Amino acid sequence: NAGVTQTPKFQVLKTGQSMTLQCAQDMNHNSMYWYRQDPGMGLRLIYYSASEGTTDKGEVPNGYNVSRLNKREFSLRLESAAPSQTSVYFCASSLSPSSYNEQFFGPGTRLTVL
Amino acid sequence: SQQGEEDPQALSIQEGENATMNCSYKTSINNLQWYRQNSGRGLVHLILIRSNEREKHSGRLRVTLDTSKKSSSLLITASRAADTASYFCAIMNSGYSTLTFGKGTMLLVSP
Repeated sequence: NAGVTQTPKFQVLKTGQSMTLQCAQDMNHNSMYWYRQDPGMGLRLIYYSASEGTTDKGEVPNGYNVSRLNKREFSLRLESAAPSQTSVYFCASSLSPSSYNEQFFGPGTRLTVL
Repeated sequence: SQQGEEDPQALSIQEGENATMNCSYKTSINNLQWYRQNSGRGLVHLILIRSNEREKHSGRLRVTLDTSKKSSSLLITASRAADTASYFCAIMNSGYSTLTFGKGTMLLVSP
């Protein structure tokens, strides 16, 4: 099992460009999450999908959109990138939104917006 | 939702020593989880402790939870160079289904 995979690993954008970060999991998990991590900071939740067909805003949703394409895939879209969105983005999944499930993380996408 | 706060921000020890890091929070929680992040990698779950539990062990890891003080500690015994990483506590608040992460403790274990 590959676990949680993310593409691309690295990306450089110019201000105003758009892009989609892809995430897939092969653990048959119901819940998926997108976080961003900035230097010296913990992870902040952008959006999450408790189950296929649902999405909800997290702590820092502005400037992002998400799509839960199917049970395996959860994508994050930046419609008009800004330098403030320079960050490392992590996708995670868990068996369900139950309180007692651990989250499994992908390797991250390092995004730079010039 | 609240964020856990780890202490210290950074910790440097020698191999074989024990490492202790702490996490404090402000309101009632459902559970508290600890994660490790090696440089440039994703987070890896270490241990989960429920609000009605006081102590849990997993290998060389020992986690305690004191809900009266709203704090948790992670103890790594007999540290190894491979334990060098950042460690994050994550709070599952009561009534929520998402985690809120702290800023982490950077642990450096020197050979």
